[in-house]
Amino acid sequence: GQQLNQSPQSMFIQEGEDVSMNCTSSSIFNTWLWYKQEPGEGPVLLIALYKAGELTSNGRLTAQFGITRKDSFLNISASIPSDVGIYFCAGSFSGGSNYKLTFGKGTLLTVNP
Amino acid sequence: DGGITQSPKYLFRKEGQNVTLSCEQNLNHDAMYWYRQDPGQGLRLIYYSQIVNDFQKGDIAEGYSVSREKKESFPLTVTSAQKNPTAFYLCASSPGRGGYTFGSGTRLTVV
Repeated sequence: GQQLNQSPQSMFIQEGEDVSMNCTSSSIFNTWLWYKQEPGEGPVLLIALYKAGELTSNGRLTAQFGITRKDSFLNISASIPSDVGIYFCAGSFSGGSNYKLTFGKGTLLTVNP
Repeated sequence: DGGITQSPKYLFRKEGQNVTLSCEQNLNHDAMYWYRQDPGQGLRLIYYSQIVNDFQKGDIAEGYSVSREKKESFPLTVTSAQKNPTAFYLCASSPGRGGYTFGSGTRLTVV
């Protein structure tokens, strides 16, 4: 089956630093998504990517759909304490009646004020 | 506002009991999913349903059961056959493309 490798597993940074995390897949995807999960809550969609090479920003967050369609990265600039949480990548090749996302294992981000 | 609601937020189960977790969505999404999350681990798919009255097993379906009698509802039953049910359970829905919308989760604890 499809597998996603997400790295790093965890990060400890100082407030104001930039953050970068990435995901690689064993097969090609036509959708890449990035989610953030805060403690005790469900994941919330941050950015969705649908086209190889696509670069999309959402405030201080920027994500890219890799040109090979097997990878994606998420950058967070000028981190703040509320960026703390688990960040998940997710991808899919299928659509329509058989739509199912494959999730990475997450990157736990800790921001020290 | 449209969304997806899970209840209860916290649930305690005695060993040997079945419990049912509720998931309701008013987003008019066709597909719904149940995931299990353990500390430090990712999301593992239990069951999913692409259409009413139909559902498929995910990666860890043993000890769980579901039903999809209405488009809006996808309840998950954790049966006594599930030997290690303590976990955080997440329900999600999807229109068939793009991101899932997740509920806020149910934390199940065996006492």
